[in-house]
Formats: sequence, C-alpha cells, structure tokens
Amino acid sequence: DAGVIQSPRHEVTEMGQEVTLRCKPISGHNSLFWYRQTMMRGLELLIYFNNNVPIDDSGMPEDRFSAKMPNASFSTLKIQPSEPRDSAVYFCASSGGDRGLANEKLFFGSGTQLSVL
Amino acid sequence: AQSVTQLGSHVSVSEGALVLLRCNYSSSVPPYLFWYVQYPNQGLQLLLKYTTGATLVKGINGFEAEFKKSETSFHLTKPSAHMSDAAEYFCAVISGDFGNEKLTFGTGTRLTIIP
Repeated sequence: DAGVIQSPRHEVTEMGQEVTLRCKPISGHNSLFWYRQTMMRGLELLIYFNNNVPIDDSGMPEDRFSAKMPNASFSTLKIQPSEPRDSAVYFCASSGGDRGLANEKLFFGSGTQLSVL
Repeated sequence: AQSVTQLGSHVSVSEGALVLLRCNYSSSVPPYLFWYVQYPNQGLQLLLKYTTGATLVKGINGFEAEFKKSETSFHLTKPSAHMSDAAEYFCAVISGDFGNEKLTFGTGTRLTIIP
C-alpha cells in the first residue's frame, strides 16, 4: 500500500485565494483526520471523519475552513479565502479496523506545506 | 477532557548519552498514551503506546516509556542517543468515546543530538 497520500506537497498562494488540500487515505481505513501543524500551536486536530461522516469539527478555526469526504477514498480541506496566518503544514491521517484508536494504528501522510503570501 | 503536556520544547543531548523526553497527562479515566516521532519533512510515525498491562512499554529504535499513574507521567527514554534520533517527538492521548475517538497531541519536543 502507498500509505496516506496528500497533494500537493507544497502550495504557495496569495491572500484571498481559495486553497484546496487533498487526501487519499489508506484503502479500507474508515477514519480520517485533518491536523494542522505550526510552530506556535503545535499539532492541532481540525476535523475527523468516521465512515465518511464528520464527527467533530470543533477544531476548524473559522468558517473559511471546510472539509468534505465524499467517499471512503478521498477527502478535501478547503480554505476560502486564505490568509497569511493559515500558513502551516496540514497533515491527513487515517486509521482502520473496528478496535478503536487504542488498538488500530494511525497513519500519517507527508503533509502539505501551505504558504499564504 | 484528556490532554498531555510536554515539558521542554527543545532538548539537546550528546551522542551516546541518555535521552529523556517528558510527558505528563491529564485524564479522568485510565489513559491510552502514545509517543510519535516526526523526522524532517515527514509525517508522524508511531514509536510506542500504552493501553493496558505492563507499564514499561518498549518501542522501535530502542525507545521505551514508562506509565506512572502516581506521577501522571509517560516519559520517553533511550539509554544511548544516536545521531539518527534527531527529530521532533510528540506525546499523545486518546479522547472521545469508543468508535469516535481522536488523538490529541502535545506541543512536541525537538531533540537535537550533539556529535
């Protein structure tokens, strides 16, 4: 398996533009998580899905952020409009099985480095 | 709500010296605790975890951690540091109900190895 695949690896955009980050979880995994990593705040959980359904989006910072999971093999995180303070590394992670996170491993993608100028 | 606190955002040790990275947890229920490692420009990888049973947990690359309920701690150690251990390390705890769980991470500790 290729692991969790995120695209693009790097995104540079101008303030006000729409940004879409993409994630393909590991085949068969039923939980998907979006994290944001910054120097100031560390790793923050933005939203997570279970069986394509958003479970907890309390970490989404503002209405400018939205996430979708239209099917089990694809998720997007959209920022519209983007702002310089959104600059960060965004990670997607997935987990499978029905034994819970205590027993199922969480696999991370390599992240998308977003720079908003 | 369950949370973890990592003491020290940066730790430097000499090659061959003991590595000690500190993590304390806050939980109203028996916690499930994890250590993850992040190498430069990569995602996080699981080092080890504590769920139940033996309180001394061994992980990959010679790392181990001990769950101490009396101290609410889950510190990560390695007897002898290697240059390849230079990375950022994250402590994490599970929160949420079974089936709708999430991992909450600490702020991370950057480990530097001095030759």
